[in-house]
Parts: sequence; structure tokens; C-alpha cells
Amino acid sequence: DSGVTQTPKHLITATGQRVTLRCSPRSGDLSVYWYQQSLDQGLQFLIQYYNGEERAKGNILERFSAQQFPDLHSELNLSSLELGDSALYFCASSVGGTDNTEAFFGQGTRLTVV
Amino acid sequence: DQQVKQNSPSLSVQEGRISILNCDYTNSMFDYFLWYKKYPAEGPTFLISISSIKDKNEDGRFTVFLNKSAKHLSLHIVPSQPGDSAVYFCAASATRQTGANNLFFGTGTRLTVIP
Repeated sequence: DSGVTQTPKHLITATGQRVTLRCSPRSGDLSVYWYQQSLDQGLQFLIQYYNGEERAKGNILERFSAQQFPDLHSELNLSSLELGDSALYFCASSVGGTDNTEAFFGQGTRLTVV
Repeated sequence: DQQVKQNSPSLSVQEGRISILNCDYTNSMFDYFLWYKKYPAEGPTFLISISSIKDKNEDGRFTVFLNKSAKHLSLHIVPSQPGDSAVYFCAASATRQTGANNLFFGTGTRLTVIP
């Protein structure tokens, strides 16, 4: 158990809809990262938050947004969903906001868009 | 464009034998490489890493080899155990940093160790 909790584990929704994925980091970790793993793809970095502020942005679509709340949990919002958004979405957390720290991954949320 | 490639989606090995997982990369700026292990219904966990200033790093049964000229690295597991059965991801960083916002991941290789 990495200590990072993601909910829900599975989510099935229709095209055009909006969903919210939730992540609770390990106790004491200030950074949260979101990754997407599509079929036959490696994990793709989406976005990082550190202590409530956006720290780094990767290949995140404009239809996607994230935030980190004062209690440090994070939510990834996916809107106007398309079939191609079906993927495993991982959250990871680390102690620091600097880059030289190990990150711990949650078990992922499997999103299926039908 | 996949900058880190794991061309073998799966590998089966007998218990006690050596497992060799391969990874190729295209970006010559990558200077830090990591292997992650993932069990079903769990997130990836860090296994072992290597800096580009080295060509080998060993941790118990796990050894990572780096061939910079070939842009190739491999993970050796000796001896392989059934508990090693998992998906192994290769990852690379271009900034000598191991933070999760700087990593490029491969697509993974599923290792099955047969008892």
C-alpha cells in the first residue's frame, strides 16, 4: 500500500459527459501528480500541484483541469469526454515540490467512455 | 511520439532463471533512468535507477545496465521468483531529476515467472 488513495477505482460514462477523479496523497506529501495511461501507451504526465499551486504542466488537454485543495487532496476534472479519453488515470504524491523526490503512485482510476 | 520504448509486451521465465527486460530510448538528453514495477490493481512502485554516468547499478537480485551509445538499458533479475511476476515500466528523465513530473515512461513489459 503506497498510502495514496484514488477514488473511484472504476468509472463508466458516456461521451460528452464530465467526471471528477479524486486523489488523497500520502500523509505529509505536498505534491500531487496526475498521469494518464491509455491503451498500449506509457504513463503520460498531465499536471503537478504543490501545496495548492500548479507546479508543472504536461500533456494535459484543455478539456481537463485539476486542483489541489487546502487539505492537499486533489481532483482531476475531465469534461466533454471522448472515447479516446478512456484510460487509466494515476495519481502520485511526493514530499517536496522540487523535482528530486521519489513519488508514490495510487492504484489508479480506470475510466471507460462509451 | 514514444521516446521510451519497451518492444516486448510480455516475457515468460522459469523460476530460478534470469529475466532480462529491455528498454530503448530516442532522446539523447535523457540522463537518468528508472524501473518501476506494477502489480494488478496497484500503482507503479519504484524498483531501481541508474544515472547516465554509470553503466551498471545493482540492488540485490536486480541489476540495471545502461548502454548510452546504443541508447539501451536492461533490467536483469537473478534468480527470478514467482513474486516478480508483474508489469515492469522503464522511465527516463532529461534533467537529472527523479521527480514524477520529469519522467517519460515506456509501455511496460509483463513478466511471468513460472514456478
